[in-house]
Amino acid sequence: NAGVMQNPRHLVRRRGQEARLRCSPMKGHSHVYWYRQLPEEGLKFMVYLQKENIIDESGMPKERFSAEFPKEGPSILRIQQVVRGDSAAYFCASSMDRDRAYEQYFGPGTRLTVT
Amino acid sequence: GQSLEQPSEVTAVEGAIVQINCTYQTSGFYGLSWYQQHDGGAPTFLSYNALDGLEETGRFSSFLSRSDSYGYLLLQELQMKDSASYFCAVNQAGTALIFGKGTTLSVSS
Repeated sequence: NAGVMQNPRHLVRRRGQEARLRCSPMKGHSHVYWYRQLPEEGLKFMVYLQKENIIDESGMPKERFSAEFPKEGPSILRIQQVVRGDSAAYFCASSMDRDRAYEQYFGPGTRLTVT
Repeated sequence: GQSLEQPSEVTAVEGAIVQINCTYQTSGFYGLSWYQQHDGGAPTFLSYNALDGLEETGRFSSFLSRSDSYGYLLLQELQMKDSASYFCAVNQAGTALIFGKGTTLSVSS
């Protein structure tokens, strides 16, 4: 399957723990985007990365959240000291290049539940 | 600021035609995309308009008027499987997409 892969699909964390969400883009894609979705809401942009570079992190909360896309391996969205308000579905998407950012391919999402 | 407005819900019957409107206010506008999402699953890309006019892809068509900051998605010959959420999204200068809150389409027999 050459589609966008995310793991884990479901993640339960207690308040104060760390959450690590992984995303492998579609084969041939080097641009990765992370979005957060609350129930009955649209997708909210968090961060846009290219290999080894953060291009736009304007949607990322200033504290506790970080993202990376190393030269080798998946992109990681990291949430430190999780709180109940972090419970949401986190989607990763990829595009072939910046010019085709309008056509993004999404993974199945990670459902994070903070207890 | 940036904002996109679309109706929250639309209902229709099988075989009918439905139009989902989207108005936007944003800077650095490059184009308008449409995505479909079933039951909170992975959103899937439907269409994109960078220029004014109508783009047709099978039963789905999308329209854009840049001067009116307005677009719509037209779904023809509706089927039960078209029941889903539909999102318009603005592409800003090669950065990420800014999504509307989505329109839930319910198709009944």
